[in-house]
Amino acid sequence: GAGVSQSPSNKVTEKGKDVELRCDPISGHTALYWYRQSLGQGLEFLIYFQGNSAPDKSGLPSDRFSAERTGGSVSTLTIQRTQQEDSAVYLCASSLASSTGGAYGYTFGSGTRLTVV
Amino acid sequence: GENVEQHPSTLSVQEGDSAVIKCTYSDSASNYFPWYKQELGKGPQLIIDIRSNVGEKKDQRIAVTLNKTAKHFSLHITETQPEDSAVYFCAALGSGNSGYALNFGKGTSLLVTP
Repeated sequence: GAGVSQSPSNKVTEKGKDVELRCDPISGHTALYWYRQSLGQGLEFLIYFQGNSAPDKSGLPSDRFSAERTGGSVSTLTIQRTQQEDSAVYLCASSLASSTGGAYGYTFGSGTRLTVV
Repeated sequence: GENVEQHPSTLSVQEGDSAVIKCTYSDSASNYFPWYKQELGKGPQLIIDIRSNVGEKKDQRIAVTLNKTAKHFSLHITETQPEDSAVYFCAALGSGNSGYALNFGKGTSLLVTP
């Protein structure tokens, strides 16, 4: 597609339930990133995928968070046993990648606004 | 890891005036510094970026300057217009365990009043 597509755009879930957030990157972009944006805060790095390499999971806040990227394209971020503090906008971005990694600008999706009640 | 500080957190200017947003970073190995504009309900959009081998870059009304010695970079918007109102984020490419992921400042909410 022309841009990065995220779904759903909004998700309200009960505390303790699992949620899956989807990201469809720009075709041909080998790098994919997930960030979390809490109210009034900057963008917090969660996880990075580059081609077929093992993902950089160093930003995941707890073992309740996981992500996968199938076929080098679509990615799913899963949050298990959601907590109220997980409420935030989850942003996905993709980019071309050079030998220096993210030295190209990201294209962000519009995000998924997650509300845990 | 990389730490990016951004100031001010809010900025109000009159239409036609200039706006300046400043960022500092901690990792001297950082070599890529983009700026993003985020409008309400949308994802951040890249507006300009600069690499460590240049000190200044300009694109119409926006410009970015980089001082590697002092580890700071700034966004300059001239002749501001109401449609420039948005949240602006600076970022730096760190060299730590997320060496290929950008580290973002906390954002500056810019309001341009007619």
